[in-house]
Amino acid sequence: SAVISQKPSRDICQRGTSLTIQCQVDSQVTMMFWYRQQPGQSLTLIATANQGSEATYESGFVIDKFPISRPNLTFSTLTVSNMSPEDSSIYLCSARWQGQNIQYFGAGTRLSVL
Amino acid sequence: AQSVAQPEDQVNVAEGNPLTVKCTYSVSGNPYLFWYVQYPNRGLQFLLKYITGDNLVKGSYGFEAEFNKSQTSFHLKKPSALVSDSALYFCAVRDGDTGFQKLVFGTGTRLLVSP
Repeated sequence: SAVISQKPSRDICQRGTSLTIQCQVDSQVTMMFWYRQQPGQSLTLIATANQGSEATYESGFVIDKFPISRPNLTFSTLTVSNMSPEDSSIYLCSARWQGQNIQYFGAGTRLSVL
Repeated sequence: AQSVAQPEDQVNVAEGNPLTVKCTYSVSGNPYLFWYVQYPNRGLQFLLKYITGDNLVKGSYGFEAEFNKSQTSFHLKKPSALVSDSALYFCAVRDGDTGFQKLVFGTGTRLLVSP
């Protein structure tokens, strides 16, 4: 199965600051995604990270708050900007390879904002 | 738009008994259906999928799921539960026809297997 590495695995941050989460996959991948899982809730798609172009954001998520980079086919970052306690969540990176139907997930980044 | 419903927040079962975790879906095209499991402080692990073919699909750790098109359901089953199966289970769907890439998740069902 695929290897998706995320870091940091957890962090505690002060409100008003920003955190960048990194996601590395072990082989070139067509599609990368970022999800948020708020405490006790399901996964919500934030955006699809497109290689070489701007990310595609879901309704309710904006680039200024969640800027995403994808400089190549194995790496992506998600930044949570100007954080507030409401941003405390698990953020998960996900990837799906060309010709495959299964979407794999990283272990997640547990973010607490004080 | 596609959607997934998991009607039970929690399922309790005794070890050795069969378990069922329910999932129903809504999608305009052909459904691509998935089950994932999340253990505490871990990411999501893929369990099994239905894309086409046999309605009964087998996956990891002895789990299986039955696709029922008329009832738009994809219930997860296991003949004999283990305490180690206790975790959070998510059903997810993607529309296989439109090329729309988004995977939509249900709200999750917590499975508790008692010794």
